[in-house]
Amino acid sequence: GNSVTQMEGPVTLSEEAFLTINCTYTATGYPSLFWYVQYPGEGLQLLLKATKADDKGSNKGFEATYRKETTSFHLEKGSVQVSDSAVYFCALSLANQAGTALIFGKGTTLSVSS
Amino acid sequence: EPEVTQTPSHQVTQMGQEVILRCVPISNHLYFYWYRQILGQKVEFLVSFYNNEISEKSEIFDDQFSVERPDGSNFTLKIRSTKLEDSAMYFCASSDRGGPKETQYFGPGTRLLVL
Repeated sequence: GNSVTQMEGPVTLSEEAFLTINCTYTATGYPSLFWYVQYPGEGLQLLLKATKADDKGSNKGFEATYRKETTSFHLEKGSVQVSDSAVYFCALSLANQAGTALIFGKGTTLSVSS
Repeated sequence: EPEVTQTPSHQVTQMGQEVILRCVPISNHLYFYWYRQILGQKVEFLVSFYNNEISEKSEIFDDQFSVERPDGSNFTLKIRSTKLEDSAMYFCASSDRGGPKETQYFGPGTRLLVL
């Protein structure tokens, strides 16, 4: 079946450290890939997305590249801030019909300290 | 910036009771979704809705669940007879178009606790 696997958290970093959160997927077909972020007490917000192989999504200093050969979509940021502390969810969506469901990973909690 | 809103933010109910969770999607969006997240687990898809009918639903969305767009702005999820295992955070989402490339915009969620 279709699924998303994320690295286990929590991830604890100091401010200005480099961040990588690994995400791999299993899908029948060619999914679109997303990273959503959930700040404390809030809903999920789209962070970035990529809809075809080799696309790079980027936003707020975060980047992720759609790697079809390794079925991965790892999230990176060169220098994290305390305000980046949140839960990060990798997700995929597949072309079958309108109103397509998102399939999420378990989420990775990031905690950044000053 | 337009956003999805949900009410109530928290709801406590007794097992066997009916609950209705309400959502106001972004006003020009046409596709609506419900997801849930049991504490410590993945966000799971429940149902999608377009043109006044369900377009897709998961195995979780059984006969005790129903969705409705009662007017031009609200989108509701009804659980007819709640069970302890229905305790979760329920997220509503909307998108202006369907299909896998489209961004779904999520509300802040309703935390449901069934006692």
